[in-house]
Amino acid sequence: GQQLNQSPQSMFIQEGEDVSMNCTSSSIFNTWLWYKQEPGEGPVLLIALYKAGELTSNGRLTAQFGITRKDSFLNISASIPSDVGIYFCAGPGGGADGLTFGKGTHLIIQP
Amino acid sequence: EAQVTQNPRYLITVTGKKLTVTCSQNMNHEYMSWYRQDPGLGLRQIYYSMNVEVTDKGDVPEGYKVSRKEKRNFPLILESPSPNQTSLYFCASSLGTMGAEQYFGPGTRLTVT
Repeated sequence: GQQLNQSPQSMFIQEGEDVSMNCTSSSIFNTWLWYKQEPGEGPVLLIALYKAGELTSNGRLTAQFGITRKDSFLNISASIPSDVGIYFCAGPGGGADGLTFGKGTHLIIQP
Repeated sequence: EAQVTQNPRYLITVTGKKLTVTCSQNMNHEYMSWYRQDPGLGLRQIYYSMNVEVTDKGDVPEGYKVSRKEKRNFPLILESPSPNQTSLYFCASSLGTMGAEQYFGPGTRLTVT
């Protein structure tokens, strides 16, 4: 399947800081999805984006579908300890056009 | 409650001893998929199924088998496990494809000694 380039690979931040991560693909997507995986759990869908330029929020999380349709961004404002986890971007490109995933951004919050 | 279930959650086994990891979803989803997750490598697709009796290889199918006899179940079979199959495994399902949202099970941590 297609690989997505997700960065940064990991982030060490202080509680209260804002977080930004992004994902790029080599081809145009019609959907971008963002998942969060907490320790010992499966990934859980956070935000789904379906239109270029779309900006969607889920609480303190905001994601954007890039206007080139080859990238997406996730921002977390005023981070709190429960934001710790691995964040994955995903888009069509898996087997028979299921999902392909970025390698994840590991978010670590230092007290 | 809509969910994907996997069993067992944890499994320690020895090289060559056949095992099956079960996956079941109650959302009437057509598409199901198995992934393995390894540090630094993200989620890699093992096998997927578009519908009953329709399965195909993903990116890392070697050493694995699957079956889809019923819509709700998609077991992952390791006929002769080897230590390089030690990993965290996830089953997922979605209503359709082309970027459809996938719902994941809680994971199965497999150790092969």
